[in-house]
Amino acid sequence: NAGVTQTPKFQVLKTGQSMTLQCAQDMNHNSMYWYRQDPGMGLRLIYYSASEGTTDKGEVPNGYNVSRLNKREFSLRLESAAPSQTSVYFCASSEHVSPRQFFGPGTRLTVL
Amino acid sequence: AQSVSQHNHHVILSEAASLELGCNYSYGGTVNLFWYVQYPGQHLQLLLKYFSGDPLVKGIKGFEAEFIKSKFSFNLRKPSVQWSDTAEYFCAVNDRAGGTSYGKLTFGQGTILTVHP
Repeated sequence: NAGVTQTPKFQVLKTGQSMTLQCAQDMNHNSMYWYRQDPGMGLRLIYYSASEGTTDKGEVPNGYNVSRLNKREFSLRLESAAPSQTSVYFCASSEHVSPRQFFGPGTRLTVL
Repeated sequence: AQSVSQHNHHVILSEAASLELGCNYSYGGTVNLFWYVQYPGQHLQLLLKYFSGDPLVKGIKGFEAEFIKSKFSFNLRKPSVQWSDTAEYFCAVNDRAGGTSYGKLTFGQGTILTVHP
């Protein structure tokens, strides 16, 4: 039981490049979340998916898109990366839409 | 909109010292309250949570927190810290009213705790 997994762990992009961050959970959870963590700002919710087939914007959705591929997987896409998107990205899941969330190990993204 | 404020950005203590990390939130409705911890190189883990009932909640590793509704506070405490408590601590709240926003956590800025042996 791996919990919440994220790939890649580290990534360096140039401004304007695109990439997709992958997240998967094996806990049969219905809800999944993407956060970004920046120094001095805590974690901020980017998008979340209450259940398979639904997605909703969080606090900071601009510049991102998400896909809930199936119940297990929830990806985050940066279409045209910007230096302001340099951050650590965390995926989380919960059984239902719940504040009791389980977090993945994070992806450290640097945009040059 | 909800907001969470953690007043201390970095706290440095010696082992066996007592710890109190402040957390205040701003929200007009009823909230659930959480403390998460992130040890170096690890992902966030839930330390403790308050949903209702006894305002003094106990979590893992000897941590406790007290919800004071009148002060909109949920401070984290530990009587005697250990070197292994070195980590970043995040306070978080969510709207207990439910609906699709029930799972939306609002985090504080985080407090880095460094414990010297």
